[in-house]
Amino acid sequence: GDSVTQMEGPVTLSEEAFLTINCTYTATGYPSLFWYVQYPGEGLQLLLKATKADDKGSNKGFEATYRKETTSFHLEKGSVQVSDSAVYFCALSDSTGKLIFGQGTTLQVKP
Amino acid sequence: DAGITQSPRYKITETGRQVTLMCHQTWSHSYMFWYRQDLGHGLRLIYYSAAADITDKGEVPDGYVVSRSKTENFPLTLESATRSQTSVYFCAIGVSGQDLSGANVLTFGAGSRLTVL
Repeated sequence: GDSVTQMEGPVTLSEEAFLTINCTYTATGYPSLFWYVQYPGEGLQLLLKATKADDKGSNKGFEATYRKETTSFHLEKGSVQVSDSAVYFCALSDSTGKLIFGQGTTLQVKP
Repeated sequence: DAGITQSPRYKITETGRQVTLMCHQTWSHSYMFWYRQDLGHGLRLIYYSAAADITDKGEVPDGYVVSRSKTENFPLTLESATRSQTSVYFCAIGVSGQDLSGANVLTFGAGSRLTVL
């Protein structure tokens, strides 16, 4: 079945460092891809999405490009802040439209 | 998000007891979902509902029961709680008026942390 695999965490970075969180997927068809973010003590929030190959989703300085050839949707940010510390989830919509989430990657940014 | 309220936020119970987690939305979005979040598993879908009186199983439905008699409420019941059901439970809603493929931009509640002893 469809699945999402994220890089293992936690990821620890210093403020202003470059961030990459890897995400690869297995799916039949052409799913939409998502990144959700979960801040401590809260539910998940949509960060960005891409609905077709080569689309780039972006929000709050974060970007991810839908790469069909490598079945990837890596999350990047050029300069992280302490306030970006959170758990990040990659997800895809399966053939029925339901969301399938990866296991989450914890990001900790130190001042 | 103020539009979704989950209760209780924290619950400790014993094996074999019945527990109900409540989810209430102040909007009238059609789709509502229950997920559980466990370390190493991310979020897994338990049940979802497309409208009042319409529910369907997700990936991990065993041991859970749902109902949706009103559009705004979607309670999740553990009829006989087990230790393996210790988890954080999230309710989510999808955009109204679309089929499931359009409802995958979800708004999540703050979660209910359940501990089964």
